[in-house]
Parts: sequence; structure tokens; C-alpha cells
Amino acid sequence: KAGVTQTPRYLIKTRGQQVTLSCSPISGHRSVSWYQQTPGQGLQFLFEYFSETQRNKGNFPGRFSGRQFSNSRSEMNVSTLELGDSALYLCASSVGTGGSYGYTFGSGTRLTVV
Amino acid sequence: GESVGLHLPTLSVQEGDNSIINCAYSNSASDYFIWYKQESGKGPQFIIDIRSNMDKRQGQRVTVLLNKTVKHLSLQIAATQPGDSAVYFCAEKRGYQKVTFGTGTKLQVIP
Repeated sequence: KAGVTQTPRYLIKTRGQQVTLSCSPISGHRSVSWYQQTPGQGLQFLFEYFSETQRNKGNFPGRFSGRQFSNSRSEMNVSTLELGDSALYLCASSVGTGGSYGYTFGSGTRLTVV
Repeated sequence: GESVGLHLPTLSVQEGDNSIINCAYSNSASDYFIWYKQESGKGPQFIIDIRSNMDKRQGQRVTVLLNKTVKHLSLQIAATQPGDSAVYFCAEKRGYQKVTFGTGTKLQVIP
């Protein structure tokens, strides 16, 4: 069975631009969570979507947003990019909300802001 | 406040030895704990989990121990292999809330 697919794998953007990242969860998984990973910071929770509704939200500014479609695919958007947004963005899908029964992660999108 | 912390940022072990990675958590309401392994260039991979009503759980070459008295979690890897080299994260969860990850411990296996 196919795993979690994130596109693109790598992205380079300029400060002030906006970016959209995509995540296709495992078939049958209705929950998609997004995390930001930076060196030394571990994984910081961005938000979680379940059945097209945002269920949980982390402590990130409003420049970070997301959505989920009826087929469970999810996108996250970052507007007005800052240098500090450079990170690995990970998507994780799970059967239930809040990572119930464990997450399956994608390989991530490496975003570099210059 | 909530936190999930790891005792050591880097752990070096000889191939064939057992590895123990430790983790402390602060919230006694956490009811589910998970260990993840992240190899370079990949996303975290689920290793093993344990619920708060358990003290120990075993998998293939891995054992997780939970000490709720001192809010401590550990991952034991038996007969450590070069393929075990990675960053290991502990994570905790309460109910339907988000999963909170620790900052990670890098395990280096010395051949």
C-alpha cells in the first residue's frame, strides 16, 4: 500500500513569497497533521485536519494555514515567507484524530527561504 | 507546562551492545507514548508505543519501559546494529490532542 506522499521534495523560495505544500495520506487515513522540523528544535506541531476540518492547531503565526480536501489530501500554505521558515515540513497521516494508533510520516518537503 | 525532554543529545554505542535512550515527560495526564526513528533524509518512522496503563512493552529487538512515578520513558534496543543509527524521538499524547515530540537523541553505532 502506498505511503504518505509529499510534494515537492525540495523547494527554494525568496523572502516575501508564498508557498504551497501538498500531502497525500495513506488510503483510508482521514487525519493529516503537519509538523515543522528545524535543527535542534525537534518537531513543532502546525495543525491537524480530520474530515476537512481543522481539529488542532499549534502556536504558529497566521501566515501558516492549511486545508484538507474531501479525498483527505491536504495542503499547507505559508505566506510572506521569512528566512526562519526554512525547515523540513513533515506531513503525517493517521486513522483517527490526534495521531491515534500512530502516525505514518511522509519524507517531507525541504523548504529553503533565501 | 507540557514538555517532553530527552536526557542526551547524542549516544554512541558499540555494535552488538544494547542501547538505552531515555526520555522525561512532565504531564501525568499523558496517556500514550510513542518512539520514532528518523534516518537521514526520511520522515520519522514509528517504532513502538505504550499506553499509560502499561509498564513495559516489547517489540522486535526493542523494549519500551514506562515509569509513571518519575515520569520517565526509555527505549532499549538489543544487539544494536549499524542500521539502528538514527535520531530517536519520544512523543506523548493526551486524549485526542496533538502528539508532542521531544527534541531527539542521535544514536551512533560504532562498528
